[in-house]
Amino acid sequence: DTGVSQDPRHKITKRGQNVTFRCDPISEHNRLYWYRQTLGQGPEFLTYFQNEAQLEKSRLLSDRFSAERPKGSFSTLEIQRTEQGDSAMYLCASSHRTDTQYFGPGTRLTVL
Amino acid sequence: AQSVSQHNHHVILSEAASLELGCNYSYGGTVNLFWYVQYPGQHLQLLLKYFSGDPLVKGIKGFEAEFIKSKFSFNLRKPSVQWSDTAEYFCAVNAPGGSYIPTFGRGTSLIVHP
Repeated sequence: DTGVSQDPRHKITKRGQNVTFRCDPISEHNRLYWYRQTLGQGPEFLTYFQNEAQLEKSRLLSDRFSAERPKGSFSTLEIQRTEQGDSAMYLCASSHRTDTQYFGPGTRLTVL
Repeated sequence: AQSVSQHNHHVILSEAASLELGCNYSYGGTVNLFWYVQYPGQHLQLLLKYFSGDPLVKGIKGFEAEFIKSKFSFNLRKPSVQWSDTAEYFCAVNAPGGSYIPTFGRGTSLIVHP
């Protein structure tokens, strides 16, 4: 059983740069979710996909953030013109329909 | 919109002590409830979940939680903690019939001293 994987695990970037994260869900899971987690807080929902369709986006997801899930398999989350406030752990989770979500290890972003 | 409150942000116990972590949610309708755990350096894992049926739910590693609908609560319990239970614990709730996106509490940090 291969769980949810995320790449990279750590990313350090300078303010203003663009970054892209990848998430590979558990195969046959049709739902994929992105969350952001900061220190001392629980995960906050950003967006989710059912197959290749992006069905919901949080107000947290500014226009600098974009996510894709081509062909309903892996997903990418891109942040353009990064700001220091974007520093956080970005979590990906997948589920089969509406069942339990399984989380990946996360990508820790540090914006200098 | 639903919200989740975890009242204990930091808990420190000695091994063999009993544990109860509080979780209250605000949502008027039917809910699904979850407890997730994050061990140091590891990713979030499901401890247990409640969708329907018996309100006393048993999970992995000896944990259990009781759904009390009248109190909007889903407290996590373990009769005797171990050093290996040191972790962050997150309560989450979602509303079935919608997007099933869970709302998480801010978490409780548990430290168990040997």
